[in-house]
Parts: sequence; C-alpha cells; structure tokens
Amino acid sequence: EVKLVESGGGLVQPGRSLKLSCAASGFSFNDYWMGWVRQAPGKGLEWIGEINQDSSTINYTPSLKDKFTISRDNAQNTLYLQMSKLGSEDTAIYYCAREYSYFDYWGQGVMVTVSS
Amino acid sequence: DIQMTQSPASLSASLGETVTIECLASEDIYSNLAWYQQKPGKSPQLLIYYANSLNDGVPSRFSGSGSGTQYSLKINSLQSEDVSIYFCQQNYDSPPTFGGGTKLELK
Repeated sequence: EVKLVESGGGLVQPGRSLKLSCAASGFSFNDYWMGWVRQAPGKGLEWIGEINQDSSTINYTPSLKDKFTISRDNAQNTLYLQMSKLGSEDTAIYYCAREYSYFDYWGQGVMVTVSS
Repeated sequence: DIQMTQSPASLSASLGETVTIECLASEDIYSNLAWYQQKPGKSPQLLIYYANSLNDGVPSRFSGSGSGTQYSLKINSLQSEDVSIYFCQQNYDSPPTFGGGTKLELK
C-alpha cells in the first residue's frame, strides 16, 4: 500500500523558517518524481514544485522559487520542503504527492500556520 | 501559466441525479487533464487522468471527457458519498495548474 506521511508542521512566527518532511512507503520511492502542493484555508490547490528521481531536476512555481527548497533522500525514502521567510500568506495545508504528470497519491497533509 | 476555469463553483443535486462539472483551459492542453475529488477534511484523490481514464478503484459512475480547451467530469446516479469538492488540473505545461474547484452538495 502506498503511503505518504507529512510531518513538521505547526505554528511559526512571520519571517522564520520551517522544514517539512514526507515519509514514503509501499512503492519504489527512487523511481518517481515527487511534488508538493498546498491549500490555504477554504481555498484551492496550489502547486509548489517537484523533484525528479535523482534530484537533478527541481522545478518551482515562480512566485515561491526564492523562498522554498525541495529536496529528497532516497536512502531514507523521504521528501523535504524547506520554507524560509514565511508570511501569513503561507498559512496552508501542505501535501506531498507522488507525481506522474498527474498526482496519483497524496499524503494526509500537514498544517502550517504563520502567525505572531 | 495556463489558467483553468471551473464551473459551476458550487452545485446542489439530488440523489440519483446526473451532474456535470466543466473545466476550461486558457489554451489547448491536448487532453493532459486530471480530475480530483476532495472529501471534507481529507486530501485530494485522483479520479480521472488523461481526460477520460478512470483511476483504479474509482466507481464507474464517474467519467471524463473533452479535448482541446474544454473538459467535463460527469457523475451518474449521484450517491451521498460523492459530496465533495472537485478540482481539475492540467499537466500539459509547467507549472501544473488547478481549477478553482466545484463544491458538490446534496439537495
């Protein structure tokens, strides 16, 4: 069974950083692109970015490219999202997802709240 | 970026009814379109990919169609468990973009 489990969310002050993790199991992690998608409260879905199997290609949505960094550790079957200079506009549920053009498996999501 | 416009934004229908949700792309996406279902408090789940391919385990009452810039999701014989928000997503060009969502409720 494919499982994606995010962790690392919580309350963070504006301007600070936070790193999310996504633990993958039930499939060959190093065979797939992986991505991050977020959803602000009561809003739609926003693609953050993606990383290929060997981390040689990482793409971001342009507006987040200077704030967010995606990485992965294939030995640990884990995907990461490093977020910096956080603002209230970054308050959202963050999902990791297995990416195959479309997103065929999603994690349960982790809430990040940016507030003083 | 390719803009995805969904309609309607909300929809109320009765059990057993057939409903259709539309998704319009700002340019031709050559059937590179997926549909997702998000139940309250849950993560999105893939329903349809490449415009009309049903994902494993998805009931056959769901179907997708369309080409070019216009796509639709059809739900036959609406069930109570279909109450959700539905999103379309294009994956023809980067960045992948989503429609604003359609909230489906029971009448």
